[in-house]
Amino acid sequence: GQNIDQPTEMTATEGAIVQINCTYQTSGFNGLFWYQQHAGEAPTFLSYNVLDGLEEKGRFSSFLSRSKGYSYLLLKELQMKDSASYLCAPMDSNYQLIWGAGTKLIIKP
Amino acid sequence: GAVVSQHPSWVICKSGTSVKIECRSLDFQATTMFWYRQFPKQSLMLMATSNEGSKATYEQGVEKDKFLINHASLTLSTLTVTSAHPEDSSFYICSTTQGGGYNEQFFGPGTRLTVL
Repeated sequence: GQNIDQPTEMTATEGAIVQINCTYQTSGFNGLFWYQQHAGEAPTFLSYNVLDGLEEKGRFSSFLSRSKGYSYLLLKELQMKDSASYLCAPMDSNYQLIWGAGTKLIIKP
Repeated sequence: GAVVSQHPSWVICKSGTSVKIECRSLDFQATTMFWYRQFPKQSLMLMATSNEGSKATYEQGVEKDKFLINHASLTLSTLTVTSAHPEDSSFYICSTTQGGGYNEQFFGPGTRLTVL
């Protein structure tokens, strides 16, 4: 079957760094997306990885290891507005996104 | 990125009534649109995939006669929740892609439906 495993909730301090891990099992693989979702809002795109390695985009970076079925999202210089849920969504062989429940990130002053 | 709008943003209705939700792609032609439902603290659940000019493909467990999807043009898809009941109260979100292998999904802002 298809499965995604992320921590349910994480807490971090403003200005710090946090890493959100994701392990997945899918039928085929066509890349992995990270989305941010604030409470009561729709998801917004953060990153896409299809090859192994690290993709950096400003304060956010995303890493992928296809052989391990593993990805992480790294957030630096945390700001209060980063409090949100972060969704790891791999794409299967049918180009369909597989959604987990996401990780709720709480930022404290 | 692509801009997707949804209307209404929120709706409250009585049990037994039907509710129509519109999803529009504002700056490109969307051949394919996806309809999701999300209950509080749960993951996005794909309900159906609609393709312009053809019947929607529903996911297992989703009643196609209850959730009517119409994708009559390249910029508009509608989801009608027929005879809504309190258990249909949820956050409904549409999304679309610009095609190609990359397939980043662009989401509408969502519609919060509350059925009394």
